[in-house]
Amino acid sequence: VQLVQSGAEVKKPAESLKISCKTSGYTFTSYWISWVRQMPGKGLEWMGRIDCGDSDTNYSPSFQGHVNITADKSTNTVFLQWSSLQASDSGIYYCALFTPSWGFWGQGTQVTVSS
Amino acid sequence: EIAVTQSPAILSVSPGERVTLSCRASQSVRSNLDWYQQKPGQAPRLLVHGASTRATGVPARFSGGGSGTEFTLTISGLQSEDFAVYYCQVYNNWPPMYIFGQGTKLEIK
Repeated sequence: VQLVQSGAEVKKPAESLKISCKTSGYTFTSYWISWVRQMPGKGLEWMGRIDCGDSDTNYSPSFQGHVNITADKSTNTVFLQWSSLQASDSGIYYCALFTPSWGFWGQGTQVTVSS
Repeated sequence: EIAVTQSPAILSVSPGERVTLSCRASQSVRSNLDWYQQKPGQAPRLLVHGASTRATGVPARFSGGGSGTEFTLTISGLQSEDFAVYYCQVYNNWPPMYIFGQGTKLEIK
């Protein structure tokens, strides 16, 4: 199983952003992929997840309405998108595959939002 | 929504010692709790799933225990590579979401 994320991004407040997580090594449509935020020097925050089979989503109340998670079955890739970034969105974003016996993570994408 | 509390926030220990980290859930999660290790600049790594099953490749000095609301991660014979931050994670059935504890940082005394 591999989860390979897109590279670091530097954006200005109010800009939009879409980062990606390309998966391989398992049946893409059989599992949910989660996104996890880690702000500088802080802990892990689960943001939400997508069922890669039917694109059903669950979001943490803390992130509902501020981000959008989508999946592309043709490329086995999951995306995390913002329509209007804020400075407080700066951090490292991880995609992860959680099951009762698995915990695979991408390498993380650093997002910096600064004017 | 379940609340997850780890203690202590920071633990100062010497190499070779035995240490126990705690994780408490505000309501029963049965055995649906995982432990992760995170080193600086790295993604978290799964250590224990289902409260007590070591993940593939995890050394036997790591052992998880507990069920319901009280869980522990014990590291016997601390080695230099074990100094890191440890997180517990649970699954909340409704609303469906994962919840992480705040983490315990293991530092060298």
